[in-house]
Amino acid sequence: GNSVTQMEGPVTLSEEAFLTINCTYTATGYPSLFWYVQYPGEGLQLLLKATKADDKGSNKGFEATYRKETTSFHLEKGSVQVSDSAVYFCALKSDMRFGAGTRLTVKP
Amino acid sequence: DTAVSQTPKYLVTQMGNDKSIKCEQNLGHDTMYWYKQDSKKFLKIMFSYNNKELIINETVPNRFSPKSPDKAHLNLHINSLELGDSAVYFCASSQDLFGTGSLYTFGSGTRLTVV
Repeated sequence: GNSVTQMEGPVTLSEEAFLTINCTYTATGYPSLFWYVQYPGEGLQLLLKATKADDKGSNKGFEATYRKETTSFHLEKGSVQVSDSAVYFCALKSDMRFGAGTRLTVKP
Repeated sequence: DTAVSQTPKYLVTQMGNDKSIKCEQNLGHDTMYWYKQDSKKFLKIMFSYNNKELIINETVPNRFSPKSPDKAHLNLHINSLELGDSAVYFCASSQDLFGTGSLYTFGSGTRLTVV
């Protein structure tokens, strides 16, 4: 069946550090892939998406590229800020199953 | 206006009680969902309704019963609450099943604590 595997957290970085959160998937075909972000005390918000292979989704300085050869959709940001502290979820469109979530804490 | 609203935001109740969580969306979406998020932040889909029809019914105890009086509402009723039911429950909606249109909009969550 379909599944999403995310890198386990928590991840703690200093401000302006480079961020990578790994996400790999198992699916039939090439479903759209998403990253959602959950800020403390809030619901999930769509961060970015990619609908087909080699697409790059980007938003708020975050990027993720849909790579079918490695079945991955890793989230990256070149310079994180304290305000990026949140839990990040990778998800498959095909049945909207979420990864386990990765908690990111950015320290000043 | 809040797009997906859940009530109550916090719910503290004793074991064995029956409680309901309400969810309403004003986006005109056809599909609504309930997710459970445990203390480790793992998010698991529980139910999905599309135009008042049950589409997804994951392996959850029978004590959990969703009810959709119309496509703008999806309520979650829980009977005989247990300690393990303590979690944050999120309602979500999408334009159609699995969000082919505008993708998902989440409510702000209901924190259920069973004591």
